[in-house]
Amino acid sequence: EAGVAQSPRYKIIEKRQSVAFWCNPISGHATLYWYQQILGQGPKLLIQFQNNGVVDDSQLPKDRFSAERLKGVDSTLKIQPAKLEDSAVYLCASSYLSGSTDTQYFGPGTRLTVL
Amino acid sequence: AQKVTQAQTEISVVEKEDVTLDCVYETRDTTYYLFWYKQPPSGELVFLIRRNSFDEQNEISGRYSWNFQKSTSSFNFTITASQVVDSAVYFCALSEARGQNFVFGPGTRLSVLP
Repeated sequence: EAGVAQSPRYKIIEKRQSVAFWCNPISGHATLYWYQQILGQGPKLLIQFQNNGVVDDSQLPKDRFSAERLKGVDSTLKIQPAKLEDSAVYLCASSYLSGSTDTQYFGPGTRLTVL
Repeated sequence: AQKVTQAQTEISVVEKEDVTLDCVYETRDTTYYLFWYKQPPSGELVFLIRRNSFDEQNEISGRYSWNFQKSTSSFNFTITASQVVDSAVYFCALSEARGQNFVFGPGTRLSVLP
């Protein structure tokens, strides 16, 4: 069974530029999550989708971050414009059942550096 | 608000020693789920265990064991006879039963020296 796929693996941009990350969850998984992991810290949930609807986006900085999960499968996370403090690893995860009580399977992450 | 505390930032042990990683959580929910994940140097988070709040039985899986104590809001993780491959950052996490508000702790970096 294929795992969670993410691309790109690395991205370097200058502040005020835009960037987008892509995630393809494990086939059949209803729930998809985006996390931000700043160096030395635990992952912080940005947004949680159940199928193509948003369950929780309370920690998403909506003035610059946006995410969508069209057709309830893959998802895109966008940052526009990027700030220096957005430098982090962005992790995507998926789970079979609805809700975060189910085991989450993580992708390899996208390491973003904002200069 | 939910919170997970892992007071040990870094731990170093010599191979074959036993090591316990502490996890203390806060929640107002009576039903919740606790998790442990491992993040090796490669960076990909690996699921280790999930436990719901009604199941206080300790669990053992090979060299790994978990001690869940509701009375002290703790969910500690012990590695017996540690190996160099156990070197990683370990995260404890908490989720409400409604399936929202998933919170990770800050992690404990374990270094197992040969």
